[in-house]
Amino acid sequence: AQTVTQSQPEMSVQEAETVTLSCTYDTSESDYYLFWYKQPPSRQMILVIRQEAYKQQNATENRFSVNFQKAAKSFSLKISDSQLGDAAMYFCAYRSSMNYGGSQGNLIFGKGTKLSVKP
Amino acid sequence: DSGVTQTPKHLITATGQRVTLRCSPRSGDLSVYWYQQSLDQGLQFLIQYYNGEERAKGNILERFSAQQFPDLHSELNLSSLELGDSALYFCASSGWGRADYNEQFFGPGTRLTVL
Repeated sequence: AQTVTQSQPEMSVQEAETVTLSCTYDTSESDYYLFWYKQPPSRQMILVIRQEAYKQQNATENRFSVNFQKAAKSFSLKISDSQLGDAAMYFCAYRSSMNYGGSQGNLIFGKGTKLSVKP
Repeated sequence: DSGVTQTPKHLITATGQRVTLRCSPRSGDLSVYWYQQSLDQGLQFLIQYYNGEERAKGNILERFSAQQFPDLHSELNLSSLELGDSALYFCASSGWGRADYNEQFFGPGTRLTVL
């Protein structure tokens, strides 16, 4: 079974600085998807960034980028120019690439990292 | 706004009771997923439906059941409630053949409190 581990329960960053959140995963599959979700105090789950395992290039979305190391099974999230609105819980998630008659599988989440942003 | 709706937003009930949580997926999405977020267990997958059929089961208790109706909305039924069932229940949906089919879109969640 696949597992996702986030070893940092809490992180803190100064506004405008850069922070990196860590995530490791375990799988025997060669093709899969990895995600970072943000959960602000409103509790809404917001997709931040997605990485396909077959792509060597690291995904980027504005101030958010990932460092995907497939051999090491590592998937870290870098937030540049941190803003107060980035304060939230961040969840790393894994999904198999297997599709079942047109439907994708479920997400497997890590325990989350609580990010605080100091003004 | 993800396009996924969940009702009710909050639910307070007593132990031993039964409740029903409702989810409407994004227009056109055939897959619905239910997840439970609790303090001790984190975010866990419960069950998945695709076009009315159950597709996958996760850590769903026998006291819990779900279904997806012909109009694609889904309901999660929780019975014989225990204090430990207090959690945030999310519904997510995804669509096949859409540009964003690799993503799951989450509803705002239903906060269940069992007293």
